[in-house]
Amino acid sequence: EAGVAQSPRYKIIEKRQSVAFWCNPISGHATLYWYQQILGQGPKLLIQFQNNGVVDDSQLPKDRFSAERLKGVDSTLKIQPAKLEDSAVYLCASSLGGITYNEQFFGPGTRLTVL
Amino acid sequence: DQQVKQNSPSLSVQEGRISILNCDYTNSMFDYFLWYKKYPAEGPTFLISISSIKDKNEDGRFTVFLNKSAKHLSLHIVPSQPGDSAVYFCAASAIWLSISGSARQLTFGSGTQLTVLP
Repeated sequence: EAGVAQSPRYKIIEKRQSVAFWCNPISGHATLYWYQQILGQGPKLLIQFQNNGVVDDSQLPKDRFSAERLKGVDSTLKIQPAKLEDSAVYLCASSLGGITYNEQFFGPGTRLTVL
Repeated sequence: DQQVKQNSPSLSVQEGRISILNCDYTNSMFDYFLWYKKYPAEGPTFLISISSIKDKNEDGRFTVFLNKSAKHLSLHIVPSQPGDSAVYFCAASAIWLSISGSARQLTFGSGTQLTVLP
C-alpha cells in the first residue's frame, strides 16, 4: 500500500514570496490533515478535511494561508505572502475518517525555509 | 494552552536498559492516546496506542501505561536498542464536532528526543 505522498520535500523562499505544497493521501482515506511543525515543537493542526469539506480550520492563519482539497483526494496548502515565522516542516496526514478511532498516517513532510 | 505535555525534551539510556517516556494531558475528552516515533527528515510513524478504558497495552518491546486519574501516560521500551534513537511524540485523540461533520483530531506533545547509547 502506497503511503502519503508530499512534494516538494524542501523549499527555500524569501519573505513575502508565495509557496504551495501538495499532498496525495492514501487511497480511500476520507480525512486529510495539514500540520505545521516548528523546530522543537510537536505538530500543530492547521486544517482538517473530510472528503472535500473543511471540518476544522480554526488554527489556520487565513490572512496568508489557504488550502483546498478538490474532488476529495489531493490537497494543496498555500502561503502568500510568507513570513520568517512560517519556517517549519509542513506535514500532511490521512486517515479513514469518521468518529471511530483509526490511525493517522503521515507523509514525509515539506521543510520550508523563509529567508 | 498545552493540552498534551511532554516535560522532558531529551532522554539518554544505555543499550539494553529500560527507556521510560512520560506524557501528561489535561482534556478529559481525550479517549485514545498514541505514541509516534519520528526520525530526521521523515514523517511521524505510529508506534502504539491505548484506549482510555484500558490501563496497559503491550506490543513487543513497547508498553504504554495509562493512569486516567492522574491524566498521565508513559511509554516503556525494554530492552532499548540504538535503533530506537528518535523523537517520540505523545498524542491524544478526541472527536471534533462541527457543522461540516465530525471527525477525530490528534493533539501532540512537544516530543522527547531519545538517545540509546551503545
